[in-house]
Amino acid sequence: DQQVKQNSPSLSVQEGRISILNCDYTNSMFDYFLWYKKYPAEGPTFLISISSIKDKNEDGRFTVFLNKSAKHLSLHIVPSQPGDSAVYFCAASGKNSGGSNYKLTFGKGTLLTVNP
Amino acid sequence: SQTIHQWPATLVQPVGSPLSLECTVEGTSNPNLYWYRQAAGRGLQLLFYSVGIGQISSEVPQNLSASRPQDRQFILSSKKLLLSDSGFYLCASGTSRSTFGSGTRLTVV
Repeated sequence: DQQVKQNSPSLSVQEGRISILNCDYTNSMFDYFLWYKKYPAEGPTFLISISSIKDKNEDGRFTVFLNKSAKHLSLHIVPSQPGDSAVYFCAASGKNSGGSNYKLTFGKGTLLTVNP
Repeated sequence: SQTIHQWPATLVQPVGSPLSLECTVEGTSNPNLYWYRQAAGRGLQLLFYSVGIGQISSEVPQNLSASRPQDRQFILSSKKLLLSDSGFYLCASGTSRSTFGSGTRLTVV
């Protein structure tokens, strides 16, 4: 049972345009969501996160939107740059019975290609 | 900030051979540690996590095992590798904003 879903395996956009990467989740106990960026043969690097008490978080060109009722989040990159080309993973965590967030559940990732 | 050291970067092993991948963490104490695998065309699958020395939780049944002999050392092992063990293995530290190592590309032949 895949609790975090990234239904688009790939996305291609033109440089300067907006990139929108989507993520859906099924576990209503998730309360913290993250996006990671991964280049080939490297480990993922943290990009941006959002807590379930918010519906938007912005950091420079990157904005994450959370729609709790739809169990959906999205990452917007504006303007997109060729260096943004990478695999983007959506991840979620929720508190265990002890009240701590102890692990992340990842989606399968979306390969973003930004064309010059 | 945390730094994850993971080695080797690439490894080619024959079927049936043993495996030992090591991960060490700098810049923090008593971290939560994780082993993930990314198989070809797949996402990041959590294999093991550890909240302290000697404490290992397995997420999926498999041919691998993990150990945490020291606070900042996490080891992934196998007694006999299978072809299906091929993949990109990642060690991570921390929970809310996990820091990842650079990964080990394992090819079982």
